[in-house]
Amino acid sequence: DTEVTQTPKHLVMGMTNKKSLKCEQHMGHRAMYWYKQKAKKPPELMFVYSYEKLSINESVPSRFSPECPNSSLLNLHLHALQPEDSALYLCASSRYGLQGHGSPLHFGNGTRLTVT
Amino acid sequence: AQSVTQLDSQVPVFEEAPVELRCNYSSSVSVYLFWYVQYPNQGLQLLLKYLSGSTLVKGINGFEAEFNKSQTSFHLRKPSVHISDTAEYFCAVSAIYSPQGAQKLVFGQGTRLTINP
Repeated sequence: DTEVTQTPKHLVMGMTNKKSLKCEQHMGHRAMYWYKQKAKKPPELMFVYSYEKLSINESVPSRFSPECPNSSLLNLHLHALQPEDSALYLCASSRYGLQGHGSPLHFGNGTRLTVT
Repeated sequence: AQSVTQLDSQVPVFEEAPVELRCNYSSSVSVYLFWYVQYPNQGLQLLLKYLSGSTLVKGINGFEAEFNKSQTSFHLRKPSVHISDTAEYFCAVSAIYSPQGAQKLVFGQGTRLTINP
């Protein structure tokens, strides 16, 4: 069982829809991450929150909007997506904030997103 | 800048045979190295990590890896594989993200390990 929980597991949305992906961890971790993974590729970093503040945005298009309501929750709001945004979206957390080098990431099982 | 190269995109092995998945990294500074496994339709699970100390690192599921600084390698090994080891394996290095000096994981392209009966 993973200690990082992501909902929903699967999501199909049209290009005009607005939806949200949710991520939750109760390990007391202080950094949380969103990754995007296309088929047969490694995960690509999108956003990092450290101590509930957005610390890294890897030049992600504005149709993806992250939110960290508290230290245990991370959301990714989706609006006006394109078919090429279809992918597995992974959430992860690590014990220390971004300055905690070497702190391993704990991943959720991801949300499989299909944009039609 | 740090980078990771996984030398084999696919590795087929017979059950109970030994396996080695190769990983080389590039970095001008001290690094932290990781191996993650991804089973079908799941997220990534940490197999093992090297932060400092002994260069032979033992992980879960009988896997181990050896850090070799002179060869800039961190190869993953298992003496006897099982069907259940079929998965994608990612090597990763912890990179320093400028300008905040924060940690960022850089992944290799992955190695698909297939165990045949």
